[in-house]
Amino acid sequence: RKEVEQDPGPFNVPEGATVAFNCTYSNSASQSFFWYRQDCRKEPKLLMSVYSSGNEDGRFTAQLNRASQYISLLIRDSKLSDSATYLCAVNGDKLIFGTGTRLQVFP
Amino acid sequence: GAGVSQTPSNKVTEKGKYVELRCDPISGHTALYWYRQSLGQGPEFLIYFQGTGAADDSGLPNDRFFAVRPEGSVSTLKIQRTERGDSAVYLCASSAGEGGYTFGSGTRLTVV
Repeated sequence: RKEVEQDPGPFNVPEGATVAFNCTYSNSASQSFFWYRQDCRKEPKLLMSVYSSGNEDGRFTAQLNRASQYISLLIRDSKLSDSATYLCAVNGDKLIFGTGTRLQVFP
Repeated sequence: GAGVSQTPSNKVTEKGKYVELRCDPISGHTALYWYRQSLGQGPEFLIYFQGTGAADDSGLPNDRFFAVRPEGSVSTLKIQRTERGDSAVYLCASSAGEGGYTFGSGTRLTVV
């Protein structure tokens, strides 16, 4: 079993839709959690950290469920510019990434 | 510098050759990481430095791969006797602490 698992997608959604991604992790000792965004042929860029209490940044909401060992990312009112791959990352003693979930927002 | 700098941005080499990939982290970041990313996959951990020492090299695939960070700043990833399967984007990231990592734009290595 992979340490961090994500549904690779693609998720194809219309503009304005709400879309959610989940990511599961196997290391119960993991301490910090992140969502990264990666555009085609570019490096990953930190989108947001994920806290136990949940956190929101504009249209983006991230949540952590330690008991079930998953994190989630919710994107509301999707924009064309949200089209990208979303990588979850989990830090125990090193940062481990999932394979990423591709999102395609269409007009 | 303002960001993580990686050179070269692209490297084409013949099978069996030796290559060096360089990473210049954000000034003051003590932690430095190397990852490898193949098409359609997430970044795969290779090695992590805290200061000058390799704190965790468990991700290096075999003994053809080696990395150094002699002065606790710039790091070099070295690959000996390259194979076609080594072709990937090699990403470097640095971090100041508990927050997320900042990545460089990567070196795209192609072994022909």
